[in-house]
Amino acid sequence: GAVVSQHPSWVICKSGTSVKIECRSLDFQATTMFWYRQFPKQSLMLMATSNEGSKATYEQGVEKDKFLINHASLTLSTLTVTSAHPEDSSFYICSARKAGIGTEAFFGQGTRLTVV
Amino acid sequence: QQQVKQSPQSLIVQKGGISIINCAYENTAFDYFPWYQQFPGKGPALLIAIRPDVSEKKEGRFTISFNKSAKQFSLHIMDSQPGDSATYFCAASRSRGADGLTFGKGTHLIIQP
Repeated sequence: GAVVSQHPSWVICKSGTSVKIECRSLDFQATTMFWYRQFPKQSLMLMATSNEGSKATYEQGVEKDKFLINHASLTLSTLTVTSAHPEDSSFYICSARKAGIGTEAFFGQGTRLTVV
Repeated sequence: QQQVKQSPQSLIVQKGGISIINCAYENTAFDYFPWYQQFPGKGPALLIAIRPDVSEKKEGRFTISFNKSAKQFSLHIMDSQPGDSATYFCAASRSRGADGLTFGKGTHLIIQP
């Protein structure tokens, strides 16, 4: 159990367009979802934390108007990269956490975004 | 400010040997310390995690050693196998994992047959 699925696995888009990435918890309800960004051969950096039904909390330096996060249900969160530019090209990874104290978060397989 | 420092950046170990990766943290509010394994193009997978009320935790070939006073923790992989070749990340968070994770920079581990 505890499977987190991201869609798409990879996407190529033109500069100036918007891209939506979905993160689903397939077999559990996720009260909290996290979005991370990973550049090639680098570490994961937390972008934002979203709780179901609430506005996302963004980390310092992350533009909330550029990276729109929606967590409308207990099994789905979406990240929309608006007006994408080549520097937004990266590996975006979500994780989902079950309700309860001390529970671990499970990661999706990631989405490779390339902006051309 | 890097809150979790990880070393070494890369590591080569012979098959059957012990792989040791170290991490140090700065934020004393951290109370959850997981280790993740990541293969190229994939999301990270949890290996083992520890909380600061214990000094060691073992699961199969993986052991975490935790030194609260030194603010350090390490991963030991016993009997390392070629299939263990991957990138390993240590991480830390507050609120017993309820907050997002702060990751170390990663260690690229190669197990030579």
